[in-house]
Amino acid sequence: DTAVSQTPKYLVTQMGNDKSIKCEQNLGHDTMYWYKQDSKKFLKIMFSYNNKELIINETVPNRFSPKSPDKAHLNLHINSLELGDSAVYFCASSQVAGDQPQHFGDGTRLSIL
Amino acid sequence: GNSVTQMEGPVTLSEEAFLTINCTYTATGYPSLFWYVQYPGEGLQLLLKATKADDKGSNKGFEATYRKETTSFHLEKGSVQVSDSAVYFCALMPSGSARQLTFGSGTQLTVLP
Repeated sequence: DTAVSQTPKYLVTQMGNDKSIKCEQNLGHDTMYWYKQDSKKFLKIMFSYNNKELIINETVPNRFSPKSPDKAHLNLHINSLELGDSAVYFCASSQVAGDQPQHFGDGTRLSIL
Repeated sequence: GNSVTQMEGPVTLSEEAFLTINCTYTATGYPSLFWYVQYPGEGLQLLLKATKADDKGSNKGFEATYRKETTSFHLEKGSVQVSDSAVYFCALMPSGSARQLTFGSGTQLTVLP
């Protein structure tokens, strides 16, 4: 059973378009995250939601908007895509209580033409 | 702020060689420390963790010891296999209410037969 699933796995689109990436977790965790991994493999957190409420919002352009319809889902919508948005985006989830590790999805590779 | 510094890669070893990947951190208080592994085309998986000073995390032949005095959490394995080829990330989670993971830059390991 897939614990953290992201769709799509690959996303190729043109500059200026709007796209969404979906994420679902079936682990019963109360916190979900979005990370961006650049071409040098550097990982940076973008957002974190706890029980559907935004708790971390790093310096990310406001073209990126997370949406959490319920605790098991955290979707990422990106407006007016730019070349620099090309990266792999990872969703993760965890249970905040204790030092519980984060569980990651397999990533969505976004390529902007 | 919190930060994690990893030895730069890439690291190339022959099968059965000894592996060390250095990791040092900067944080206030007593963070929890993690090693994650990313196999090609996949998301990050937790490899091991340690939550307090002198704890040793271990998994799949990998070990790392939480050294408060040197603020280090070096990853070691006595005999690497080709299947260990991956990117390894050191990470910390601060103590207290902010449960955000801070990652190191990752170290690419290639093991040759």
